[in-house]
Parts: sequence; C-alpha cells; structure tokens
Amino acid sequence: DAKTTQPNSMESNEEEPVHLPCNHSTISGTDYIHWYRQLPSQGPEYVIHGLTSNVNNRMASLAIAEDRKSSTLILHRATLRDAAVYYCILRDFRGGTSYGKLTFGQGTILTVHP
Amino acid sequence: GAVVSQHPSRVICKSGTSVKIECRSLDFQATTMFWYRQFPKQSLMLMATSNEGSKATYEQGVEKDKFLINHASLTLSTLTVTSAHPEDSSFYICSARGRGEWAKNIQYFGAGTRLSVL
Repeated sequence: DAKTTQPNSMESNEEEPVHLPCNHSTISGTDYIHWYRQLPSQGPEYVIHGLTSNVNNRMASLAIAEDRKSSTLILHRATLRDAAVYYCILRDFRGGTSYGKLTFGQGTILTVHP
Repeated sequence: GAVVSQHPSRVICKSGTSVKIECRSLDFQATTMFWYRQFPKQSLMLMATSNEGSKATYEQGVEKDKFLINHASLTLSTLTVTSAHPEDSSFYICSARGRGEWAKNIQYFGAGTRLSVL
C-alpha cells in the first residue's frame, strides 16, 4: 500500500483555520485520498475524501496538489471539538485483496487551544 | 451520517473466558465489515475483513481460531475473543461499509469496545 507522511502533532487556536498536511509521493492513479479523525476513546470518524479535484463538505475542505503527491485537510474554523488524531489514508478503489482496506498510520494529533 | 452501534462499550473478564462483541449497522446494509484493534498510544490495526455470508479474511498474524468473526446478516457482525488472556486487552473497533458507488468509499466506525482481561 502506498504510504502517507504526516506531522506527529499540530496546534491551533480556537476559531482559527487549520491546515493539516499529508505527503503521499508514491500515490498511484487508482488511490483515493481519505481523511478520518479519531476523538479520544472513540472510533474513527469519516471526514472527507477525494481523487483529483479539491473537495468541500460541511466538516472540512480537501486540497489536492496537482501532481497528487500531497494534500491538505483544511478546517476553516477550529473548535475544541476538533481536537483529535487526524489520519490521511490512501485507498485503492480497484478490486483485489487490498480493495476496501483502510490502513491507518500514526496520524497527526491536533491540539486546539481556547 | 450512517450509524454503527457497537456493544458492549467496556468489558472486564477473567483470563480464559470468551468475550463476544457485537457490531450493528443501524440504518444501512453493511456489505462489508471490518474489525480493528488499537493498543494504547498506537494506531488502529486491521484484524479482519468480512463480507456478508462469507468467511472472514484475516490479516497476517491474526489468529482466526482465537478471534472468531461472524457476519451472518447485512446488519450484524460479531467478534468473539476466545480464551482471552491479558495480552488480548485492547480497544476493539468495528467498521462497516454499505452498497453503492458512493457508500462503498466511506467506512463508518463503532464507538469501540475496551476489553480488559484480568
């Protein structure tokens, strides 16, 4: 599976935008870029995903580099409830043994200060 | 969003006993379910993948006779930890994915079960 690289931790202040980077230089043409987050003592939660174009939803925006070797998750106004571990994951949408699997890395621990 | 219910949220048991964890998709049909394990300060590790009506596919290093997975219906999967030992103490999380081009891209997770084996 193609790997992703994320900073171990980031900090933000409440109500400020947060840009969480992810490098995936070995991404293949059939990999979707997924973001999930995990709040303390909870299961992960889907945030957003994309393939080539930038994506927006009610939770966040996903900016994908033109060469797709990196992406950035954008939280437009961080709240205390956004404090979590954010995982950037590549998922192959083809068939085969790896189809459908989400392989979690270490993620980025986001701390939000009041 | 879709809801995945996992029960129990916490279980404490004696060494040698078996523990069953249930995972239900409440408002969608889960064609595929996944079971993960997470140790403290670590990331999630996939244990097995199961499709409804089929045998589970286990990841390398996961003992299928110890971690029994049943996915008998489109809304229910169970994980049974047989003859649990203290080293099996962990946070177990289930996940489900539905049908359709859009749905199959998103996995919904349960809240997790914290297993403590004494």
